[in-house]
Amino acid sequence: DTEVTQTPKHLVMGMTNKKSLKCEQHMGHRAMYWYKQKAKKPPELMFVYSYEKLSINESVPSRFSPECPNSSLLNLHLHALQPEDSALYLCASSQDTSGRFYEQYFGPGTRLTVT
Amino acid sequence: AQSVTQLDSQVPVFEEAPVELRCNYSSSVSVYLFWYVQYPNQGLQLLLKYLSGSTLVKGINGFEAEFNKSQTSFHLRKPSVHISDTAEYFCAVSIFGNEKLTFGTGTRLTIIP
Repeated sequence: DTEVTQTPKHLVMGMTNKKSLKCEQHMGHRAMYWYKQKAKKPPELMFVYSYEKLSINESVPSRFSPECPNSSLLNLHLHALQPEDSALYLCASSQDTSGRFYEQYFGPGTRLTVT
Repeated sequence: AQSVTQLDSQVPVFEEAPVELRCNYSSSVSVYLFWYVQYPNQGLQLLLKYLSGSTLVKGINGFEAEFNKSQTSFHLRKPSVHISDTAEYFCAVSIFGNEKLTFGTGTRLTIIP
């Protein structure tokens, strides 16, 4: 099973709201990722968790706050977002073998609209 | 740092014709190479990967790609396309097992009936 699940599928939020995106995988992967994708663009890396520790933060604004409660779950907490944050948010995971990471498996994404 | 170039932003192809989507990369160290496909309003799906070994790799949906180290290329091919192949295709590279993937800008493949 190579499935990464994401909830919700769609989210509309106002600029003063607080919401969370959730990602789950049960493949035993030890790296999990958040990406942001705008229309007709490639995914942009936001955060990487490796062995449940934040290993990469691509200078993402603090209104995005990631959390990795355990090796299977990844959350992205959203607060005081701007309309330009509207995008498809993708979660991914990858396997680690002897310290090397291989292909990433992506979830279906959460389509976020900030009003 | 590594980089990926997909020179063709759009490729229109007639149904049942062959197609090649081009990908070139730049890296001073060994890399892993990947092709992903994204259908409208969906996430990315792995088509195929090159980690080591045979330079010709076969993937899902009849696609294949050839790793050419001297030309730093990893072009994607399919001998006969179908309407269902209409999608965005992304080439990606990672430095030898690093967690981070670098994506190309994508190629939109449009199949003409």
